[in-house]
Amino acid sequence: AQKVTQAQTEISVVEKEDVTLDCVYETRDTTYYLFWYKQPPSGELVFLIRRNSFDEQNEISGRYSWNFQKSTSSFNFTITASQVVDSAVYFCALRGETSGSRLTFGEGTQLTVNP
Amino acid sequence: DSGVTQTPKHLITATGQRVTLRCSPRSGDLSVYWYQQSLDQGLQFLIQYYNGEERAKGNILERFSAQQFPDLHSELNLSSLELGDSALYFCASSAQRGMGGEAFVLATQYFGPGTRLTVL
Repeated sequence: AQKVTQAQTEISVVEKEDVTLDCVYETRDTTYYLFWYKQPPSGELVFLIRRNSFDEQNEISGRYSWNFQKSTSSFNFTITASQVVDSAVYFCALRGETSGSRLTFGEGTQLTVNP
Repeated sequence: DSGVTQTPKHLITATGQRVTLRCSPRSGDLSVYWYQQSLDQGLQFLIQYYNGEERAKGNILERFSAQQFPDLHSELNLSSLELGDSALYFCASSAQRGMGGEAFVLATQYFGPGTRLTVL
């Protein structure tokens, strides 16, 4: 069975602060994919990043960075110098090799960035 | 804009009724997925179609059904609606590599804007 845990239900920061969203996953598959999606107040789900289980290299994209650690089954997401437009619900998701193509989502973290 | 379209954006109906949600995948994508997002269940996978055929089933109720047409658009039919069916329904699509029986469905799913269903 696949499971994704996002322990932080809500996070509130002030603009320009750095913030890290935690994601812990469980799978017995040796090959799997991890994702982060953003759901702004308008409601759509926006794809942010995908990592493969065999590639533990961390990634940085502008103010966004991701830290993938297989040893702790974690795939954390950091926003540097947060902005009000970053306010959204962020979902971590997992697709395991044996679960077909379905995504298993965490419960989401509501991030509020205050001016 | 992900390239996945869904209609309608909002739907309000009464208990016991039947509705149809429509989805058009990104150009060239053969896989279509349906997900339900509700307050108590979170985001849950319902069903996947690949090139017109059902590929995988998740937590989809028997009152719900889906199909994918030859032009690759998909419809999700919800019948005998209950209050608890009120939710945001997402369609997603993903691309594939290769052709025919050797095709491999790529992992990244791109989501449409969703249809918000309210059952009164």
